[in-house]
Amino acid sequence: NAGVMQNPRHLVRRRGQEARLRCSPMKGHSHVYWYRQLPEEGLKFMVYLQKENIIDESGMPKERFSAEFPKEGPSILRIQQVVRGDSAAYFCASSPQTGARTNEKLFFGSGTQLSVL
Amino acid sequence: GEDVEQSLFLSVREGDSSVINCTYTDSSSTYLYWYKQEPGAGLQLLTYIFSNMDMKQDQRLTVLLNKKDKHLSLRIADTQTGDSAIYFCAESPPGGSQGNLIFGKGTKLSVKP
Repeated sequence: NAGVMQNPRHLVRRRGQEARLRCSPMKGHSHVYWYRQLPEEGLKFMVYLQKENIIDESGMPKERFSAEFPKEGPSILRIQQVVRGDSAAYFCASSPQTGARTNEKLFFGSGTQLSVL
Repeated sequence: GEDVEQSLFLSVREGDSSVINCTYTDSSSTYLYWYKQEPGAGLQLLTYIFSNMDMKQDQRLTVLLNKKDKHLSLRIADTQTGDSAIYFCAESPPGGSQGNLIFGKGTKLSVKP
């Protein structure tokens, strides 16, 4: 029973390139969340997705960032035209679908460390 | 305050108790959490407490909640070197969507043998 899988583990991009980060939730989980951790900071919520739907994107920067969770395949966080300030660890979490609010059931992946040169 | 506040560092000797403190922002937060992050790894949920509780104990872990002061603490009894990690406090404010947690910056716990 694999946990939340994120890849790549490390990603290096030059300024202006695109970064694509992938997240496969735990088996049976239909909710995905993306968080960003800047150096010396706590995690900041970015976006919450269910299959084919964005539920809450209140933490996403208005430009260059997008996220999707298609019917088939992993969730993708896409950053266009990366800048040095995008360098951070990006964590994905997933939770199962239940009738109740499931905050206590968030399972995190090991993260993708994005470095922008 | 606007941020979840934690002290950045704590150093203890093996076998001692560790107490990590946190001040959160919203007295209406329904759940409060402690996560552990080991080097190079993701966050692991250690424990959580519902806001109508004052205390929760789980083996070596004791969580205390003071809603009036918006203060949360995590006590680790008989601290071991394997407990060395960064510990994050997080809250689930009532206005946020599911999974929209507010995290502190983390307390780095160092355990000396």
